[in-house]
Amino acid sequence: DTQMTQSPSSLSASVGDSVTITCRASQDIRRYLNWYQQKPGKAPNLLIYGASSLQSGVPSRFSGSGSGTDFTLTISSLQPDDFATYYCQQSYSISRTFGQGTKVDIK
Amino acid sequence: QITLKESGPTLVKPTQTLTLTCTFSGFSLSTSGVGVGWIRQPPGKALQWLALVYWDDDKRYSPSLKSSLTITKDTSKNQVVLTMTNMDPVDTATYYCAHHYSDAFDYWGQGTLVTVSS
Repeated sequence: DTQMTQSPSSLSASVGDSVTITCRASQDIRRYLNWYQQKPGKAPNLLIYGASSLQSGVPSRFSGSGSGTDFTLTISSLQPDDFATYYCQQSYSISRTFGQGTKVDIK
Repeated sequence: QITLKESGPTLVKPTQTLTLTCTFSGFSLSTSGVGVGWIRQPPGKALQWLALVYWDDDKRYSPSLKSSLTITKDTSKNQVVLTMTNMDPVDTATYYCAHHYSDAFDYWGQGTLVTVSS
């Protein structure tokens, strides 16, 4: 089973800050990495697929990079609507594992 | 417009079998490359992938839960059913179904909270 480890588990930031979240896979997953945003009481929303492709309708301040085992999600200028929990998820192996999540809250 | 909705019991007793139905619209599960998956989330915890069925009836399961899960599809009814046997209080969670295409879950249902308690 491929394990996904996100860091940090939580962070505090201000509107306008640039934020970076890291996701590490326990084995090489090439670029089979997706990022989701989840707000309290809501279903997750796909932001980035294939490590760096922006899902339709997602603001361009979100970007993804990486390959192999190390990946990042960057929010270039944090907006009030971006305070949420973010999950990475690998789709390389049969088991579609998620990371443990990174909560972004207001400083 | 793709929509999915989960339905099933909100409360089950320990050792019972849970049956959840995902009813969807806006796509066909006979279209090449399309799948429907189930993901759950215990209160305050992370997402956990459970199972996935593809358009060609290929099925995938979480290794840690494989012995207790069964996923089936009914293409004519636009439904996917997940059964989980021998439910335990640790299985209390919100259960989501989601459309799967190009290796990502791009559309999700609203989720349904299932509580396991005697």
